[in-house]
Amino acid sequence: GNSVTQMEGPVTLSEEAFLTINCTYTATGYPSLFWYVQYPGEGLQLLLKATKADDKGSNKGFEATYRKETTSFHLEKGSVQVSDSAVYFCALSAGGANSKLTFGKGITLSVRP
Amino acid sequence: NAGVTQTPKFRILKIGQSMTLQCTQDMNHNYMYWYRQDPGMGLKLIYYSVGAGITDKGEVPNGYNVSRSTTEDFPLRLELAAPSQTSVYFCASSHTANTEAFFGQGTRLTVV
Repeated sequence: GNSVTQMEGPVTLSEEAFLTINCTYTATGYPSLFWYVQYPGEGLQLLLKATKADDKGSNKGFEATYRKETTSFHLEKGSVQVSDSAVYFCALSAGGANSKLTFGKGITLSVRP
Repeated sequence: NAGVTQTPKFRILKIGQSMTLQCTQDMNHNYMYWYRQDPGMGLKLIYYSVGAGITDKGEVPNGYNVSRSTTEDFPLRLELAAPSQTSVYFCASSHTANTEAFFGQGTRLTVV
């Protein structure tokens, strides 16, 4: 079946540090890939997405590139801010009539001033 | 712009009681989902629906039931609540499986 594996957390960084959060996937066919973010006390919201190989999703300074050869979709940001502190989820949807979103376990990011 | 609305936000149930978590969306989305979120475990899919009248089980359906009589509403029913059902529940909707999913604010349920 489809699955998403995220690196273990939590992650603590100082403000302006470089961020990488790893995500790899297993899926049949050609899935769409997503990063969702959950701020404290809130529901999840879409951060970025990519729908085909070599696509780069970007939003709010975050980027992720769909790498089919390595089945990866790593999230990066060049300079994190305190306001980026949240839980980040990688997810995929493999398409098809009855497809559904499959999430990774999520990783908590804390950014120190 | 209401989006996805869940009620209630918080609830405490006694073991063996039943309740319904309400979810409604005003975006005319076909797909709707119920997830539960437990600390360190990410989101687990309970049930999902690809359209009115169609529902299917996710990873962890035991102890829950759903119905989808309209496009807008996707209630989740808990029968005979157990402590293992203590969790935060999220409802979500999307136009298709490959488009953005919109989430409600969540329902924090405690079973004692």
